[in-house]
Amino acid sequence: QVQLVQSGAEVKKPGASVKVSCKASGYTFTSYYMHWVRQAPGQGLEWMGIINPSGGTTTYAQKFQGRVTMTGDTSTSTVYMELSSLRSEDTAVYYCARKLLGESALDFWGQGTLVTVSS
Amino acid sequence: QSVLTQPPSASGTPGQRVTISCSGSSSNTGSDTVNWYQQLPGTAPKLLIYSNNQRPSGVPDRFSGSKSGTSASLAISGLQSEDEADYYCAAWDDSLNGRYVFGTGTKVTVL
Repeated sequence: QVQLVQSGAEVKKPGASVKVSCKASGYTFTSYYMHWVRQAPGQGLEWMGIINPSGGTTTYAQKFQGRVTMTGDTSTSTVYMELSSLRSEDTAVYYCARKLLGESALDFWGQGTLVTVSS
Repeated sequence: QSVLTQPPSASGTPGQRVTISCSGSSSNTGSDTVNWYQQLPGTAPKLLIYSNNQRPSGVPDRFSGSKSGTSASLAISGLQSEDEADYYCAAWDDSLNGRYVFGTGTKVTVL
């Protein structure tokens, strides 16, 4: 069965960087794009970007351009999202989510990783 | 920051029908199919409806979706207590080099 397992919670100081991992299993890793979505406490869903694990091409939301880097490791079926220059507003749960083939929908989601930015 | 507009809340008694609207524009809901997600408290979102009106395997048929022009709707018929959750619509948006946009979210309360 398809599973996306994310790394554990992180606490970071303002100005630092965080790297969240998302390990995929149960399907052909290189055949499906992966999105990253975040949700601040009590807020809605916010799209951050998408990566094609086969080749590594990415599209980032304009808001995060220059601060976010998404990468993939085909040897471990893992995608990564690194966010730099963290500020308190980046405190959120970060999700990876697989893009459904041939559709724009996100059909499987990771369990989420809480990133807390605090001095 | 949300590009798609939804009502903040909706409610109904068990067994009733509840409808949630989602309004976008020509660059998103007007040109792409609409997807719906259900987020139960403290959990990750779950795909509920894709391609306007398709249910993934395992989603009860009391959930249905529709789209007309730049607006879409999610209907929950035979409302159940376990349907109390946040619901988000979403679509791909062709502007700004492409982006995935979510609705503002609707909290459904079962009275």
